[in-house]
Amino acid sequence: ETGVTQSPTHLIKTRGQQVTLRCSSQSGHNTVSWYQQALGQGPQFIFQYYREEENGRGNFPPRFSGLQFPNYSSELNVNALELDDSALYLCASSLGTAEQYFGPGTRLTVT
Amino acid sequence: DQQVKQNSPSLSVQEGRISILNCDYTNSMFDYFLWYKKYPAEGPTFLISISSIKDKNEDGRFTVFLNKSAKHLSLHIVPSQPGDSAVYFCAASAVGNQGGKLIFGQGTELSVKP
Repeated sequence: ETGVTQSPTHLIKTRGQQVTLRCSSQSGHNTVSWYQQALGQGPQFIFQYYREEENGRGNFPPRFSGLQFPNYSSELNVNALELDDSALYLCASSLGTAEQYFGPGTRLTVT
Repeated sequence: DQQVKQNSPSLSVQEGRISILNCDYTNSMFDYFLWYKKYPAEGPTFLISISSIKDKNEDGRFTVFLNKSAKHLSLHIVPSQPGDSAVYFCAASAVGNQGGKLIFGQGTELSVKP
């Protein structure tokens, strides 16, 4: 059974640029959730995708957007990057249960 | 508005003793609670969960207790091992939101000394 994978591992971008982060869900899982974890904080929910449709969104501006593909993999896109977007971005997959299984994360640094 | 709170940023315990990590919540709509463990440079790993219809769930060395009237849950690790040293997050999910968003606490860093 393949776990959740994310790419890239690390990324450095400049303020104002755009970034795309990718996630492959665990085999058999149809739901993907994205979280942002700032240093010293717990993960904060960005949004969730279920069968290619957005299924809930947290308190993040519209410049955070996402996609889910037919194979249940997912992308997180962030436009007009700001310094405060520097964080660990976590993807989690699940199969209709509250137990979400996380990938290793992508560390984004905005300079 | 922090709906899930872990008031102890850190905890140090001797190997072999019990570790007790605490978590409080404010939203009475939460009906499912989870604990995750996180090592540096890794994503959170699911440990154990509990539904609001129960007050205790046990899995090996890990036991989670839920006190709904106090809106409090705790994770007990017995006996503690050095490999348990990590950051522990509690998380909650709301009624009708099964499989939906998780609200996390700020985390407690556990250090188990040999």
